[in-house]
Amino acid sequence: ETGVTQTPRHLVMGMTNKKSLKCEQHLGHNAMYWYKQSAKKPLELMFVYSLEERVENNSVPSRFSPECPNSSHLFLHLHTLQPEDSALYLCASSQNGRHPNEKLFFGSGTQLSVL
Amino acid sequence: QQQVKQSPQSLIVQKGGISIINCAYENTAFDYFPWYQQFPGKGPALLIAIRPDVSEKKEGRFTISFNKSAKQFSLHIMDSQPGDSATYFCAANGQGAQKLVFGQGTRLTINP
Repeated sequence: ETGVTQTPRHLVMGMTNKKSLKCEQHLGHNAMYWYKQSAKKPLELMFVYSLEERVENNSVPSRFSPECPNSSHLFLHLHTLQPEDSALYLCASSQNGRHPNEKLFFGSGTQLSVL
Repeated sequence: QQQVKQSPQSLIVQKGGISIINCAYENTAFDYFPWYQQFPGKGPALLIAIRPDVSEKKEGRFTISFNKSAKQFSLHIMDSQPGDSATYFCAANGQGAQKLVFGQGTRLTINP
């Protein structure tokens, strides 16, 4: 148990659906992240929140919409996705996101399939 | 310049052998080099990390070797065990966890 919990573990959705991924961290961290993991590709950073404020948005399509209501919870709202968006979506947290030696704590991910 | 290139993509090693995974970077501003280990169905977890002021760091059977002039670093797993079978990611950053750049990953299989 890493202290970062993601739900659901698996999600299948059609291209016209709207769904949300949820992440909760119990570590008292101030920074939370969404990563996309596709086969044979590096982990892609999507969004970073520090103290509930978005500090990074790596040119992610608008069909992905993050929300961070407090420092313990992070959501990723999905709508009108494409089949190429199928991937493992990982949530992570760290102390504050700015220290060079900071350790990332990952959840187990949501395996998303878009049909 | 922000990339970290990792090789090989997959690796099969016999039990008891040495597993070696290599990474190379271009950005000389990078000053922290962690390795993450990911088991199937789990998220990555920090395994070991090194700063460029040392050439080697060892934790149990896991060793990072760092060559600053060549801008390369590698992970060595001594006496590899089937339980080490996982995907390994190297990474680098110079500005905090928000700027961490990952390699493509190496799927390691240790045969019994």
